[in-house]
Amino acid sequence: EAQLVESGGGLVQPGGSLRLSCAASGFTFSSYEMNWVRQAPGKGLEWVSYISSSGSTIYYADSVKGRFTISRDNAKNSLYLQMNSLRVEDTAVYYCARGGREQDYWGQGTLVTVSS
Amino acid sequence: YDLTQPPSVSVSPGQTASITCSGDKLGNKYVSWYQQKPGQSPVLVIYQDKKRPSGIPERFSGSNSGNTATLTISGTQTMDEADYYCQAWDSSTLRVFGGGTKLTVL
Repeated sequence: EAQLVESGGGLVQPGGSLRLSCAASGFTFSSYEMNWVRQAPGKGLEWVSYISSSGSTIYYADSVKGRFTISRDNAKNSLYLQMNSLRVEDTAVYYCARGGREQDYWGQGTLVTVSS
Repeated sequence: YDLTQPPSVSVSPGQTASITCSGDKLGNKYVSWYQQKPGQSPVLVIYQDKKRPSGIPERFSGSNSGNTATLTISGTQTMDEADYYCQAWDSSTLRVFGGGTKLTVL
């Protein structure tokens, strides 16, 4: 069965950087589009970024455009999110999720806390 | 692009729950629905407006027309108590979630 495991979350000061990783297993990672979705404490889901199976097409939510970079390494079955210039409002659980139009598998999430 | 959901819906066990999701010309987009229980990751329950993933009970169904998509849970069970999120997709919308609806079964 498909499995997604996020890592890399933690406490960072405003203006700092963090790199999230998502390790995929149980399916042919290189065949699937992937996304990052976040959820602030007590709030709803917010789509963050999308990457096509080859990595050639990338989209970002306006709230993170210019600060976050999504990437993937199909040889390592891994998805990444480089987060720079972090803001307090970026505090959230970050999920990686498989799929294009709909997301059929989700990881357990990794918590990012931006605070001084 | 905004999707609007009611913050909360209440239903008695065994009754039918309907959760709406509204957006401009939503019927022209693909809609998915996700269930999220406290402390857990979201689970896809409906995709492409009305399709059910493997393992999702038949009591979950969906529709989408005009400006409104609806998730219907027939014969609601206490285990269905959760937050539900709609999501719209098309080439211009990208991926946007509704604000979520807390379903209470009591």
